[in-house]
Amino acid sequence: DTGVSQDPRHKITKRGQNVTFRCDPISEHNRLYWYRQTLGQGPEFLTYFQNEAQLEKSRLLSDRFSAERPKGSFSTLEIQRTEQGDSAMYLCASTSSGSGNNEQFFGPGTRLTVL
Amino acid sequence: ELKVEQNPLFLSMQEGKNYTIYCNYSTTSDRLYWYRQDPGKSLESLFVLLSNGAVKQEGRLMASLDTKARLSTLHITAAVHDLSATYFCAVGLVSSGSARQLTFGSGTQLTVLP
Repeated sequence: DTGVSQDPRHKITKRGQNVTFRCDPISEHNRLYWYRQTLGQGPEFLTYFQNEAQLEKSRLLSDRFSAERPKGSFSTLEIQRTEQGDSAMYLCASTSSGSGNNEQFFGPGTRLTVL
Repeated sequence: ELKVEQNPLFLSMQEGKNYTIYCNYSTTSDRLYWYRQDPGKSLESLFVLLSNGAVKQEGRLMASLDTKARLSTLHITAAVHDLSATYFCAVGLVSSGSARQLTFGSGTQLTVLP
């Protein structure tokens, strides 16, 4: 039984470059969430998908951030024109709408460093 | 806007001692989650509390929820070094499509000393 996976685990980029992260949820989970965690803080909700529909995106930090889940399986999070303030851990979580308790299972995260 | 406050933020305790971490939140919710995070690692789900008065225990950890007081506690009994980690509480509010959007506290960094 594989858990949530994320790729890459680490990304170093220069300011102004675009980056894309991938998340593969637990296979039977239809809900997928993206969070951002900065040092010393709890994760901060960014966006969420149910199947392929993005049902909540008002918390995306700016219009430089976008997410997709085209076939209702894996998801990508893209940051355009990265800034140093985007340096953080980006976490993906998944759950099943049938679980009843919305327990979210987190992936290992992608640590982004913007130079 | 929902605010979730944990205290203490830092906790050093001796092995064998007991202590409680508190999680207060500002908006009514019946869903409270506790997670553990080891340095450089992701979050591990510990407890899901679904109703007022809910109590769950796993090993040396026990979590409870008082929705009227908007308070959850994580009690540590006879601490051991392996419990050293950062503990987060998170409140689940209903979002679009009946999913729960989690709002996390800042975390409690626990260090258990020999």
